[in-house]
Amino acid sequence: GESVGLHLPTLSVQEGDNSIINCAYSNSASDYFIWYKQESGKGPQFIIDIRSNMDKRQGQRVTVLLNKTVKHLSLQIAATQPGDSAVYFCAEKIGKSTFGDGTTLTVKP
Amino acid sequence: GAGVSQTPSNKVTEKGKYVELRCDPISGHTALYWYRQSLGQGPEFLIYFQGTGAADDSGLPNDRFFAVRPEGSVSTLKIQRTERGDSAVYLCASSPRQGALTAFFGQGTRLTVV
Repeated sequence: GESVGLHLPTLSVQEGDNSIINCAYSNSASDYFIWYKQESGKGPQFIIDIRSNMDKRQGQRVTVLLNKTVKHLSLQIAATQPGDSAVYFCAEKIGKSTFGDGTTLTVKP
Repeated sequence: GAGVSQTPSNKVTEKGKYVELRCDPISGHTALYWYRQSLGQGPEFLIYFQGTGAADDSGLPNDRFFAVRPEGSVSTLKIQRTERGDSAVYLCASSPRQGALTAFFGQGTRLTVV
């Protein structure tokens, strides 16, 4: 079936470095993507979204890049902080979409 | 409250028992979603309500699972004859309208079946 998934289950970075979390999707008709952050014991929290008519979108310290040719998106976090430690999911629009298993980001002080 | 509220936050029950999990969505949100999240995995869709009606219940794993939203606000997920495999975090999310692209999640109810 159609799905989104993440490339690496874990990522460890040094505080202050930039982080890049990757995601692949299979449905070429997908037109909207979301990145969620989930801290331990909490529900997923919206970080940033992007529509398929864009290839880049920037937020506060975060940038999402979308490459429709290879059906890949990435989340870049600038100057990673300890508070960024969490599991990150990419997903299509809310609903029946598949979340994938997430990437656990650990920030080392 | 300002966010989606789920109660209880933790529930331990014995195999074979019946449980109810409650979700209070953000006031005015018409769309409500239930997900199940097993350890180390992403959320898995269970059911979607638009108003009082279940618009899509295709994610419910079997007939032991049922959900209601009688007044279009609070929703209850009901699990009969619980099994150890039902142990997971059950997440609820709400969004302001049908067709909204994202939603706000509650903190989840951790269900443990022993």
